[in-house]
Amino acid sequence: NAGVTQTPKFQVLKTGQSMTLQCAQDMNHNSMYWYRQDPGMGLRLIYYSASEGTTDKGEVPNGYNVSRLNKREFSLRLESAAPSQTSVYFCASSEVGGLREAFFGQGTRLTVV
Amino acid sequence: KQEVTQIPAALSVPEGENLVLNCSFTDSAIYNLQWFRQDPGKGLTSLLLIQSSQREQTSGRLNASLDKSSGRSTLYIAASQPGDSATYLCAVINDYKLSFGAGTTVTVRA
Repeated sequence: NAGVTQTPKFQVLKTGQSMTLQCAQDMNHNSMYWYRQDPGMGLRLIYYSASEGTTDKGEVPNGYNVSRLNKREFSLRLESAAPSQTSVYFCASSEVGGLREAFFGQGTRLTVV
Repeated sequence: KQEVTQIPAALSVPEGENLVLNCSFTDSAIYNLQWFRQDPGKGLTSLLLIQSSQREQTSGRLNASLDKSSGRSTLYIAASQPGDSATYLCAVINDYKLSFGAGTTVTVRA
């Protein structure tokens, strides 16, 4: 009963390095999301994919790219990491219709030095 | 743009007291509203989801109300326990996006 799985759980990057955060869900959800959480600021939407084949910018997309690889997987890429991208990143998924209840992964704690 | 506010930011109560957590939002054209719990260093656990057509939803000691016209939701936790200590987040669902408040951090003292 995995739900939403994120890898890695922890990562330290040097400024300018690139990396991809992976997310997979096994609930057959159409919609997937990437959020970042910073102290005192709540969760802010980076990108979302309402359905397979579509992606849209959220509130804070600068410095990030995403790929909806298939219905299960949605990855987030940092092309050139900056210290301002130090944060906890959460992936989530939900149905398109019905309740649209969202389910979250356990998060990736990223530090950029 | 949907703005979600949670007041208070932090709350400390003795064990056994009832908890009242508030959430307000600016755009009343919501699809649903969802309450989450987050323990330190962990992910978000869904507690309750209220559909926009509902006035309240209950699960065990938890009860959430929704007044869509005034843009408010309240989460009640009855007879609090130390294990209820966590951060509680509300999220409003518009279209395909969730907008979050900053959360209320609750400490229940034994």
